Amino acid sequence: GAGVSQTPSNKVTEKGKYVELRCDPISGHTALYWYRQSLGQGPEFLIYFQGTGAADDSGLPNDRFFAVRPEGSVSTLKIQRTERGDSAVYLCASSLMGGQGARNEQFFGPGTRLTVL
Amino acid sequence: AQSVTQLDSQVPVFEEAPVELRCNYSSSVSVYLFWYVQYPNQGLQLLLKYLSGSTLVKGINGFEAEFNKSQTSFHLRKPSVHISDTAEYFCAVSDYGSSYKLIFGSGTRLLVRP
Repeated sequence: GAGVSQTPSNKVTEKGKYVELRCDPISGHTALYWYRQSLGQGPEFLIYFQGTGAADDSGLPNDRFFAVRPEGSVSTLKIQRTERGDSAVYLCASSLMGGQGARNEQFFGPGTRLTVL
Repeated sequence: AQSVTQLDSQVPVFEEAPVELRCNYSSSVSVYLFWYVQYPNQGLQLLLKYLSGSTLVKGINGFEAEFNKSQTSFHLRKPSVHISDTAEYFCAVSDYGSSYKLIFGSGTRLLVRP
């Protein structure tokens, strides 16, 4: 079956612009996660959705970052007034349910590479 | 706060040689442990995980890892590597209390040479 997909694969924008990054999770997965991977680093947790609600948004770096999942499936990560420091690969993952039981493996998408000029 | 250390940023090794990629985490509280592999231009793929039970965990592609609670380590091993194992490897941990949140190390690039 289809895995996690993310669009666009690459996004180049100018400092100060607004961007939206989209994540399509695996069908039937109730949990969705966003991570950010800067160059030479491991992924950093941003936000976790269980269904439509954000169960934990403690990883969002500031109020320029916002994410939604209105119907409990597709999620959009929104970044306002982008800064050069926002340049990174943004990864989305989904799992059948939250937590780390045997059925709760997080499946990752290929990521969106965001470059802010 | 939990953290993960992967001391080796790159590990070069010849094909068919054994390899060990090191991972240490900061806290001795109850944790889940993971190794992920990332091939170029692809998403992260789970190699193996430790949730409970036997401290020796076997994963895909012939990899295994051993959980050592006293040393807070979870080193990844493979007895004989292939060229196709060349990739970036990430160790990750999550606490029982916030088990959905993966904390990743900075990664180790395994470079297998013929």
